[in-house]
Amino acid sequence: DAKTTQPNSMESNEEEPVHLPCNHSTISGTDYIHWYRQLPSQGPEYVIHGLTSNVNNRMASLAIAEDRKSSTLILHRATLRDAAVYYCIPPLTGNQFYFGTGTSLTVIP
Amino acid sequence: SQTIHQWPATLVQPVGSPLSLECTVEGTSNPNLYWYRQAAGRGLQLLFYSIGIDQISSEVPQNLSASRPQDRQFILSSKKLLLSDSGFYLCAWSVRRDVYEQYFGPGTRLTVT
Repeated sequence: DAKTTQPNSMESNEEEPVHLPCNHSTISGTDYIHWYRQLPSQGPEYVIHGLTSNVNNRMASLAIAEDRKSSTLILHRATLRDAAVYYCIPPLTGNQFYFGTGTSLTVIP
Repeated sequence: SQTIHQWPATLVQPVGSPLSLECTVEGTSNPNLYWYRQAAGRGLQLLFYSIGIDQISSEVPQNLSASRPQDRQFILSSKKLLLSDSGFYLCAWSVRRDVYEQYFGPGTRLTVT
């Protein structure tokens, strides 16, 4: 099964961009890369996913390395409401996937 | 629009007591349903998932069980709680053809004393 590696924690100043890295060196060629985030005392929420090209949506951008062994979730302007744990989800076969411990993002006002 | 409900929001139970947590989904049919647990300071652990009524897979051996008596109802149970069962329990659903985009409920915080 593919695995992911993320830093345990990161800090960012408010209004500045944040780049959250994830290594997934064992990912297969057809596996999507998914990101979720979990605000304090809430369930996780879907953020974005991609396969090969960079992806943008209203919440974030996802930059995927050309060799697909890593990706970076980009928050263009961090706000205090973006303080959360961000999970880079390893793909699995079947109907389920697993959340690790993610990256805890602190946004400094 | 789709909505997922979980109750209760918080629960304090003594060791050895039974447990029943309920999750219901509105606004969708034939969803995949999931139960996760998050222990303090740890990642989410998938406990059970279901692709249909009475079709449930268990991911980890434990004293918990799950049932799906109706299409949009998922119940997590235990006959005798252990201290290690404390945690944040989350129910989630996904569209059958897109299991990677899951929608989570508000969670139940269980403390076993």
